[in-house]
Formats: sequence, C-alpha cells, structure tokens
Amino acid sequence: SQTIHQWPATLVQPVGSPLSLECTVEGTSNPNLYWYRQAAGRGLQLLFYSVGIGQISSEVPQNLSASRPQDRQFILSSKKLLLSDSGFYLCAWRKQGAEGYTFGSGTRLTVV
Amino acid sequence: GENVEQHPSTLSVQEGDSAVIKCTYSDSASNYFPWYKQELGKRPQLIIDIRSNVGEKKDQRIAVTLNKTAKHFSLHITETQPEDSAVYFCAASFTGTASKLTFGTGTRLQVTL
Repeated sequence: SQTIHQWPATLVQPVGSPLSLECTVEGTSNPNLYWYRQAAGRGLQLLFYSVGIGQISSEVPQNLSASRPQDRQFILSSKKLLLSDSGFYLCAWRKQGAEGYTFGSGTRLTVV
Repeated sequence: GENVEQHPSTLSVQEGDSAVIKCTYSDSASNYFPWYKQELGKRPQLIIDIRSNVGEKKDQRIAVTLNKTAKHFSLHITETQPEDSAVYFCAASFTGTASKLTFGTGTRLQVTL
C-alpha cells in the first residue's frame, strides 16, 4: 500500500535561518506531489506542485522554493526564513490519473 | 484560476441534529469536488467526494450534493455525534495532469451534548 512520510513534525527556527522540509511517498511511482501551507486557523494554500522529477510549478511568489530530486521525494526549502513563513506545512500526493489527495502528517513551523 | 467560497465559518449543532456546509466555485471547468475533515493538529482526511457527472452521493451519515448550474455543492451530516467536531474543508479541481485542488476557507463544526 502507499504511504507518505513527512518530517520533521515540528520545527522552531530563528528568522534568517535556512529551511528544509522533506516528503517521501512509498508504494507508487510517478506521483503528483504538492506542498500546501496552512496559517493558524486558516485554509490550505497551494505553494508548489510537481508532476515529475525536476518539474516544479510555483503557485505563489514567496520566500520558499521546492525541488524534486527523485521520483518520490519532494523538498521544500528556504534560504532565509521570515516570521510570516510560520505555519503548518502539508505535503500531499496523488496517483497519476486519480483525483483524491492524501496528505502527509504535516510539519508545524514556528519562526521566532 | 479557481476560487472556492465556503460558509459558514463556524457551526454549532446539538448532538443528533443535522449540519450543512455550503461551498461555491467559480471555474465551470472544475469537475471534482472532495470534502476533507481536519481534527485539531492533524492532517486533513478525505471523507467524501463527488464528480460533476453525479448530483448526489451518500456514505452512511454524510452526503454531498452538487448543482453544476449554480456552481455550488454542499456537505450534509445527519445524526451528528461529538466525534464529528472538526474543521471541514471543501475543494474543487479540474481533473488533468496537475489536478490542483483549491480549498475553501474551512468550517469549524462543534457538536455539543
């Protein structure tokens, strides 16, 4: 069966520090991968998505970047964090040709 | 792009009553409409979905209806229980290569005893 792993679960980082969040999917190949951010008490905002290795589409201009170095690995990065980058970051995957997303367990990022 | 509006933002019902959450979407090309339930601090989980070729779908105590002409869809929960308390999100997408889901802003449902 397919599973999605996301880490770390929580992270407290100072302003100006770098960020790397990782997401991997097991049990499938060539999935669509997505990064969403959820601010406290708010909805889900799509940040990046990828339909294949090295293919990244950005939805919102911001301080973040994404990469997909391997088929089932999706990384969210920042060179210098801002206070406004705080939030709950969720990775999701979808099987090619299917419709429903499955979300990872999320990373709660607090920038101090 | 797609825009999804969701109402109400908060909803309080007594145990056993019904709850209805409504969403509207803007892109007439959207053809897939899932609903997610998110408990506090947890990941959103898919609870039911509907495609544009279907007007209604039911799964035990939950049902979803879709009106393509009016571009709105609704979640209905009957015989609510305390464990139904959570934040519910509607979403919409067009099934294609990317199939990006656009989410509503969420409804916090509180089921009281």
